[in-house]
Amino acid sequence: GQNIDQPTEMTATEGAIVQINCTYQTSGFNGLFWYQQHAGEAPTFLSYNVLDGLEEKGRFSSFLSRSKGYSYLLLKELQMKDSASYLCAVNVRGGSYIPTFGRGTSLIVHP
Amino acid sequence: DADVTQTPRNRITKTGKRIMLECSQTKGHDRMYWYRQDPGLGLRLIYYSFDVKDINKGEISDGYSVSRQAQAKFSLSLESAIPNQTALYFCATSEAGTSDRGYTFGSGTRLTVV
Repeated sequence: GQNIDQPTEMTATEGAIVQINCTYQTSGFNGLFWYQQHAGEAPTFLSYNVLDGLEEKGRFSSFLSRSKGYSYLLLKELQMKDSASYLCAVNVRGGSYIPTFGRGTSLIVHP
Repeated sequence: DADVTQTPRNRITKTGKRIMLECSQTKGHDRMYWYRQDPGLGLRLIYYSFDVKDINKGEISDGYSVSRQAQAKFSLSLESAIPNQTALYFCATSEAGTSDRGYTFGSGTRLTVV
């Protein structure tokens, strides 16, 4: 099975930078997703990392180290609307390629 | 219109009742999934289907059943609802094979069993 660990909750200030970490232990690792979920709403896709390194998409960047079983999501120039849960999900090789989700990190952005 | 539509959005039902949650999609994706989300537990997979003739159990399938009526429709049933099935339920779709685009989720059904 997979073991995925994320902090439960984080707080940050509007305009600042925040890094949300995700560590995983799994066999057959194939890639890692990050999703954003506002309270009571559907998760929305942010990124998918397969290779080591940093991928940047506007204010959001995602980093992966396969050898360390580690990823992070970096949010820059935080806005109030970034207050949400951020879900890390690991994709493994095998018959189904169905990702396993972590428990999510609740990010609170305050003025 | 939403790409993935779930009905109903909210439902309160009594213990022992049968209830069906419906999901339809316009994405043209072959793969469809049902998840439940509980506070502090994240998203857990109930059932998934890779095409109309394919149904597979997920991590927590006990007490649930599904029907894939068409490529676009995937329903989840609770044959005899119990209070610990109170949760937020999400339907999702994806393209076949490894996809770097992730899932498309419906807006969710909030189910309360009293």
